[in-house]
Amino acid sequence: DAKTTQPNSMESNEEEPVHLPCNHSTISGTDYIHWYRQLPSQGPEYVIHGLTSNVNNRMASLAIAEDRKSSTLILHRATLRDAAVYYCILNNYGQNFVFGPGTRLSVLP
Amino acid sequence: NAGVTQTPKFRVLKTGQSMTLLCAQDMNHEYMYWYRQDPGMGLRLIHYSVGEGTTAKGEVPDGYNVSRLKKQNFLLGLESAAPSQTSVYFCASSRPGTSYNEQFFGPGTRLTVL
Repeated sequence: DAKTTQPNSMESNEEEPVHLPCNHSTISGTDYIHWYRQLPSQGPEYVIHGLTSNVNNRMASLAIAEDRKSSTLILHRATLRDAAVYYCILNNYGQNFVFGPGTRLSVLP
Repeated sequence: NAGVTQTPKFRVLKTGQSMTLLCAQDMNHEYMYWYRQDPGMGLRLIHYSVGEGTTAKGEVPDGYNVSRLKKQNFLLGLESAAPSQTSVYFCASSRPGTSYNEQFFGPGTRLTVL
């Protein structure tokens, strides 16, 4: 399975944008890039996914590098509720997900 | 819809005891999964099922057994619990046939083995 590398932790101020990076230099052409997050004491939840083009939804935006070796999850205005562990996962259409340790995001009021 | 539910929410076992964790989903999903999460780590896949009556091993299957007798239920069994199995267990389900294969997770079961 292709691996991803994320910073262990990041900090942001409330109502400011947050850019969460993910490196995946061994990504294959058919791997989708998925982001999940895990709020304290809860199971993970889907955030966003993409293949080649940048993607937007109500929760976040996903910016994918042209060579697809890295991506960035963008939270446009962080709130206290966004404090969570964010996981960047590569998945080839139906393969099992591999969750790394993720990035722990702290949001300061 | 309740989504994915897990029973029980908490459990304390003594070494050598057995127990079964129940996962139920009401979304008519084909795929179901059992993960464990140790402190400060990501989730690791124990077993999964791609349909009623079928199961397969994941990354860390030793010491666990599973059964999928009904589409909506996925059971995880510990025959002889060990302290190394102290963890939070998450169940998930998904529907195949989409590019993103979104997994829906339950709230977790916190298991302590003394």
